[in-house]
Amino acid sequence: ETGVTQTPRHLVMGMTNKKSLKCEQHLGHNAMYWYKQSAKKPLELMFVYNFKEQTENNSVPSRFSPECPNSSHLFLHLHTLQPEDSALYLCASSPSLNYGYTFGSGTRLTVV
Amino acid sequence: DQQVKQNSPSLSVQEGRISILNCDYTNSMFDYFLWYKKYPAEGPTFLISISSIKDKNEDGRFTVFLNKSAKHLSLHIVPSQPGDSAVYFCAADSRAGNAGNMLTFGGGTRLMVKP
Repeated sequence: ETGVTQTPRHLVMGMTNKKSLKCEQHLGHNAMYWYKQSAKKPLELMFVYNFKEQTENNSVPSRFSPECPNSSHLFLHLHTLQPEDSALYLCASSPSLNYGYTFGSGTRLTVV
Repeated sequence: DQQVKQNSPSLSVQEGRISILNCDYTNSMFDYFLWYKKYPAEGPTFLISISSIKDKNEDGRFTVFLNKSAKHLSLHIVPSQPGDSAVYFCAADSRAGNAGNMLTFGGGTRLMVKP
């Protein structure tokens, strides 16, 4: 148990589906992040939230929509994805912005 | 353009020998460097870090060396153990820079330690 919980662990979805990834932390951290890890590529930062406010959107397509209802929860809403969006999506949190990351185990997403 | 590069996608080492994982960076604003370890089906976990004011940081079997002039850092694991088999990510940060700068990760190196 890493302190950051991601659900589901695996997700297979069609290109017309709508699904959501969930991330939860009870570490008292104030910053939360979504990262994407594709095969043979570096971890790519997608979104950053600090005290529930989005502080970074790293040129992510609008078919990915984040939501941070409170400092403990972070969602990634998915809509009309493409097969190239298949990847491991990692959530992380930190006490303050960009310091002391704790990662979740990730959601393995396959778009068919 | 990748600012942090790990040019070796994989490395195989015999148990008991030294593992050396390399990382190069291009951004001279980076002043803090971290190594993360990732097992399959788990998220990355923090391993060791080094500030640019140092050239070496040691923690048990793990030592990170930083060569600022070459913009190069390396992680040494000695002696290597089968349980060290994982993907290792190098990451860089600019802590003296503007607030909000995020970690930049390399592509990872898969280490396999053979018994």
